Amino acid sequence: DSGVTQTPKHLITATGQRVTLRCSPRSGDLSVYWYQQSLDQGLQFLIQYYNGEERAKGNILERFSAQQFPDLHSELNLSSLELGDSALYFCASSEGQGAYGYTFGSGTRLTVV
Amino acid sequence: GENVEQHPSTLSVQEGDSAVIKCTYSDSASNYFPWYKQELGKGPQLIIDIRSNVGEKKDQRIAVTLNKTAKHFSLHITETQPEDSAVYFCAARFRSGYALNFGKGTSLLVTP
Repeated sequence: DSGVTQTPKHLITATGQRVTLRCSPRSGDLSVYWYQQSLDQGLQFLIQYYNGEERAKGNILERFSAQQFPDLHSELNLSSLELGDSALYFCASSEGQGAYGYTFGSGTRLTVV
Repeated sequence: GENVEQHPSTLSVQEGDSAVIKCTYSDSASNYFPWYKQELGKGPQLIIDIRSNVGEKKDQRIAVTLNKTAKHFSLHITETQPEDSAVYFCAARFRSGYALNFGKGTSLLVTP
């Protein structure tokens, strides 16, 4: 157990729908990072939050959004889902703002049908 | 752009042999280079990392070397074991951001 908790583990939904993925960081970690992993694109950075504020943005689509709450858990919202959004979504956390010592969760597998 | 290139994409070795995975990066100001191991059905796990002020780091059978001039770094696994079979990712932290950029991964298979 890495200490980073992601729920749900699996999610199957239809095109056009909206889903929310949840991540609880390791105790003491203030940064949360979201990544998308697909077979052909590897691990793609989506967005980072530090202590409730957005810190960095990667290749995140406008249909996707995220936030970090006062208790430091984070949610990734995916809307108007397309077949191509099917992927593994990972959350990672670290103590500070810098990307040292990332710890990943076990991921949420999203399947859009 | 800020890229991390990783080679090879697949690697098969016999148990006991060494395995080497190489990565190159584009931003000369990058200062942190971790390696992750991902087993089937799990999230990536940090196995070793190196900062730009160090040329080599070793942890038991695993070592990482960094050549800042050439902008490349490598993972070396000696005396490989079947449990080393997994996908390995290199990553780099670029000057422009706080997050890690990952290579596309190397699928390592160690055969008994």
